[in-house]
Amino acid sequence: KNQVEQSPQSLIILEGKNCTLQCNYTVSPFSNLRWYKQDTGRGPVSLTIMTFSENTKSNGRYTATLDADTKQSSLHITASQLSDSASYICVVTPSGGSYIPTFGRGTSLIVHP
Amino acid sequence: DTGVSQNPRHKITKRGQNVTFRCDPISEHNRLYWYRQTLGQGPEFLTYFQNEAQLEKSRLLSDRFSAERPKGSFSTLEIQRTEQGDSAMYLCASSAADRVNTGELFFGEGSRLTVL
Repeated sequence: KNQVEQSPQSLIILEGKNCTLQCNYTVSPFSNLRWYKQDTGRGPVSLTIMTFSENTKSNGRYTATLDADTKQSSLHITASQLSDSASYICVVTPSGGSYIPTFGRGTSLIVHP
Repeated sequence: DTGVSQNPRHKITKRGQNVTFRCDPISEHNRLYWYRQTLGQGPEFLTYFQNEAQLEKSRLLSDRFSAERPKGSFSTLEIQRTEQGDSAMYLCASSAADRVNTGELFFGEGSRLTVL
């Protein structure tokens, strides 16, 4: 069964600090990996996309990494802000077939002032 | 607003009642997905349509769940004889068929169901 596992389940940090969220997946064959941000009570919104050949990609204060050999990804948030408080979900899309994305459980991040 | 629209946003119902949720996707998107999300979990895939064709429905949670997209535009998700375990957020998403390999889904705000 294709799975996406995330850690930690939850994280609390102080405003201005950095943090790193982890994602391990077993989806194969693999097309791409996305990180989504989901604010409380809202639908998820895509932050980054990484394909098999990409190792690092940045989007403002968010930097995603991908190691396709070990099937691991991370999302690093720099200089956290209160508005970063949300759930961050790792999503992997298989290649071929119906391309139905598989979602992880998410990491709940709380940024305190 | 040209994003994905869902309604109602909130629905409270008594056990045993039927409920229906509606989703209006982004107009040029021909793929439409339904997901369910419970507290502390990621979205769980239920079903999807390409235009009016429902191409995957084996992941619907039980035969009490059904979805339609009669004209290839809006979609409805119906839950019959609701149970307390059906309480969750029901998310709709859409994507363009020629970009499905990118895995980018555009989500609505969700419909939160509470079954008393």
